[in-house]
Amino acid sequence: QVQLVESGGGVVQPGRSLRLSCVASGFTFSRFGMHWVRQAPGKGLEWVAIVWYDGNNKYYGDSVKGRFTISRDNSKNTLFLQMNSLRAEDTALYYCARAGDGYIDYWGQGTLVTVSS
Amino acid sequence: QSALTQPASVSGSPGQSITISCTGTSSDVGGYNYVSWYQQHPGKAPKLIIYDVSNRPSGVSNRFSGSKSGNTASLTISGLQAEDEADYYCSSYTSRSTVVFGGGTKLTVL
Repeated sequence: QVQLVESGGGVVQPGRSLRLSCVASGFTFSRFGMHWVRQAPGKGLEWVAIVWYDGNNKYYGDSVKGRFTISRDNSKNTLFLQMNSLRAEDTALYYCARAGDGYIDYWGQGTLVTVSS
Repeated sequence: QSALTQPASVSGSPGQSITISCTGTSSDVGGYNYVSWYQQHPGKAPKLIIYDVSNRPSGVSNRFSGSKSGNTASLTISGLQAEDEADYYCSSYTSRSTVVFGGGTKLTVL
């Protein structure tokens, strides 16, 4: 069965960096695009970024463009999100999710990022 | 990219039907048949319930159905059950090759 396990969350000061990871299993990772989606406490879902199956195409939401970088290592079935210049408004539960053709078909359980001084 | 517009809340009694709307633009909902819907129970990860406007993944009840007209998509839940009480989100692919979500709708089963 498809499993997505995120890690790397924690408490970080504004302006600092953090790197999230997501290890995938139960499917051929290198054949699927992958998303990061976040959810601030008590708020709705916000799409963050997508990387295509081969890592050659990446797209970002306006609120993170230029600060966050999505990447993947297909040899290790792992998805990454490098988050720089973090702000208080980046505080959220970050979900790793598998891309279908225009939809998201599997989600991890999320890793919590708290940006606070 | 502005979020898609959903009602903040809807409610219905067991056995009734409800419909949640999701309004976007010609650059997202109206331009592609890539509208999807997700159900999220408190403390849980979202779950895909409708993809490509009206298709249901295997294992999702046929009480859930989706449709689209112009820039507005809709999710209908028939035969409401207590377990349907959850937050519902629509999503669409966009002309910028990105994804946009709706603000979410809280469904209360009375």
